[in-house]
Amino acid sequence: AQTVTQSQPEMSVQEAETVTLSCTYDTSENNYYLFWYKQPPSRQMILVIRQEAYKQQNATENRFSVNFQKAAKSFSLKISDSQLGDTAMYFCAFMKHNQGAQKLVFGQGTRLTINP
Amino acid sequence: DSGVTQTPKHLITATGQRVTLRCSPRSGDLSVYWYQQSLDQGLQFLIQYYNGEERAKGNILERFSAQQFPDLHSELNLSSLELGDSALYFCASSVDSRYEQYFGPGTRLTVT
Repeated sequence: AQTVTQSQPEMSVQEAETVTLSCTYDTSENNYYLFWYKQPPSRQMILVIRQEAYKQQNATENRFSVNFQKAAKSFSLKISDSQLGDTAMYFCAFMKHNQGAQKLVFGQGTRLTINP
Repeated sequence: DSGVTQTPKHLITATGQRVTLRCSPRSGDLSVYWYQQSLDQGLQFLIQYYNGEERAKGNILERFSAQQFPDLHSELNLSSLELGDSALYFCASSVDSRYEQYFGPGTRLTVT
């Protein structure tokens, strides 16, 4: 079974700083997807970024980028020029590449606070 | 707005009761997933449907059941409710199982 570990329960940075959230996972699969989801105080789950394991290039979405290290099974999220609206719980998630049956396996989350 | 809708937003009920949570996926999405988010268990996958058929099951209790209807909306039925069933229940949808899942706003269930 796959497991996802987020070792930082809480982080806090000043506005405009860069912050990196860590995520490691355990799997014997070779093809899979990794995601970061954001859950602000509204509790809505919002997709931030996605990475396919077969792609060597790290995914980037505006101020959000990932550092995907397949051999190390590591998938960190970097938020540049952090904004107050980035304050949220961030969940790392794993999904096997499998047509048909599918599920997301989530880490325990990192609570990120951006201070003014 | 993800395009996934869930009703009701909040539900308060007593132990032993039965409730039904409803989800409408994004237009064009055939897969629907249900997740439970509780303080002690985190986010856990319950069940997946694809175009009306059950495709995957997670740690879903026998007291819980779900279905997906021909119009692709889905319902999650929770019966013989216990205090520990209090949680946020999310529905998510995707075009098919190879693509990212988009989440609805969730239904907060409180069992008293």
